[in-house]
Amino acid sequence: QKEVEQNSGPLSVPEGAIASLNCTYSDRGSQSFFWYRQYSGKSPELIMFIYSNGDKEDGRFTAQLNKASQYVSLLIRDSQPSDSATYLCAVGGYQKVTFGTGTKLQVIP
Amino acid sequence: GAGVSQTPSNKVTEKGKYVELRCDPISGHTALYWYRQSLGQGPEFLIYFQGTGAADDSGLPNDRFFAVRPEGSVSTLKIQRTERGDSAVYLCASSSHDRNNEQFFGPGTRLTVL
Repeated sequence: QKEVEQNSGPLSVPEGAIASLNCTYSDRGSQSFFWYRQYSGKSPELIMFIYSNGDKEDGRFTAQLNKASQYVSLLIRDSQPSDSATYLCAVGGYQKVTFGTGTKLQVIP
Repeated sequence: GAGVSQTPSNKVTEKGKYVELRCDPISGHTALYWYRQSLGQGPEFLIYFQGTGAADDSGLPNDRFFAVRPEGSVSTLKIQRTERGDSAVYLCASSSHDRNNEQFFGPGTRLTVL
């Protein structure tokens, strides 16, 4: 079993819709949870982090964490073509994180 | 500079050669990480420094790989006797000790071993 699992996609959504990206993890002791956006040919860019159960909102992005289900998700409201990228989920403790393989998101104009 | 910098941006070498990849973290960041990313995969952890010492090198694939951070700032990843399978993008990230693992990545070095 992979430590951090994501559906590779592509996930296609129309412009203006909500994109929902999901991630599960295996280590129940994980403390920190991150979402990175990676454009093709570029390095990952941190867009959200969450440490506690529940929701965390930042602009059009909402991260959701459910430690009991070992599940973290990212919602992108009012999706734009510029949101088209690969979204990497990263999970870890206080020193090291493990990345998933990423979900490719395509926002169709 | 404001962000993490890495040099060179591209490195082409021949099988069996030695290469060094350099990372200059964000000023003041005590934690520094090296990752390797292959096409279609997420970043794969290699090694983590806290200050000058390697706090976790469990991701280094074998003894051909070595990394140093002698003054607690710039780090160099060294690969001996390169193999074609070492071809990948090598990413460096840094983090402030008081921000739990919020890592900021450099642009990466694309290594191609012919």
